[in-house]
Amino acid sequence: QSALTQPASVSGSPGQSITISCTGSSSDVGGYNYVSWYQQHPGKAPKLMIYDVSNRPSGVSNRFSGSKSGNTASLTISGLQAEDEADYYCTSYTSTSTRVFGGGTKLTVL
Amino acid sequence: EVQLLESGGGLVQPGGSLRLSCAASGFTFSSHAMNWVRQAPGKGLEWVSSISGSGAFTYYADSVKGRFSISRDNSKTTLYVQMNSLRAEDTAVYYCARGPTVTWDYWGQGTLVTVSS
Repeated sequence: QSALTQPASVSGSPGQSITISCTGSSSDVGGYNYVSWYQQHPGKAPKLMIYDVSNRPSGVSNRFSGSKSGNTASLTISGLQAEDEADYYCTSYTSTSTRVFGGGTKLTVL
Repeated sequence: EVQLLESGGGLVQPGGSLRLSCAASGFTFSSHAMNWVRQAPGKGLEWVSSISGSGAFTYYADSVKGRFSISRDNSKTTLYVQMNSLRAEDTAVYYCARGPTVTWDYWGQGTLVTVSS
């Protein structure tokens, strides 16, 4: 159960767009459309932002979008806002019916 | 309103045991898979275990397999995890979360487990 690979940090200025990658293998990200993204502010519980690769739950801003190509999933945040500053985690279902998280990415809004 | 409330965390010695509970309300508990996810201090999220709505199917991370046991009481709308043979590396905030596969739409506030002598 190796963790998915995410960049440790990304940054962007207000109004810009950023993309966070999440790389796995054919046994997880590449093999299933069960990839989700979670946002976590300090001291808070994670919040579901994207599920099934590219679907947004009700109430999540359409500035958040997800995609996948091969073994790599991506989260894009457009029109960056100060409130987007948080940690972001990807997670995937796996071929052994387990689940695996990425190491997390700290987003800084400059 | 969906609510998940964890309890049972605390300080335990290495090798000890602890049972966490997650009391659910505001939805048909038996219709939803449930999960435990943990986060060590200053670290990332780690999936721990999942259980189907009926309780018939359970899944575990390799790091806890054989030591942790997930269960649920649908009559009490409560999720549990029995944690045995605890190690220092099990120190974390433990969250319960609702949902199948990796689509976890509601989370509790977490309960802290500290394994230390």
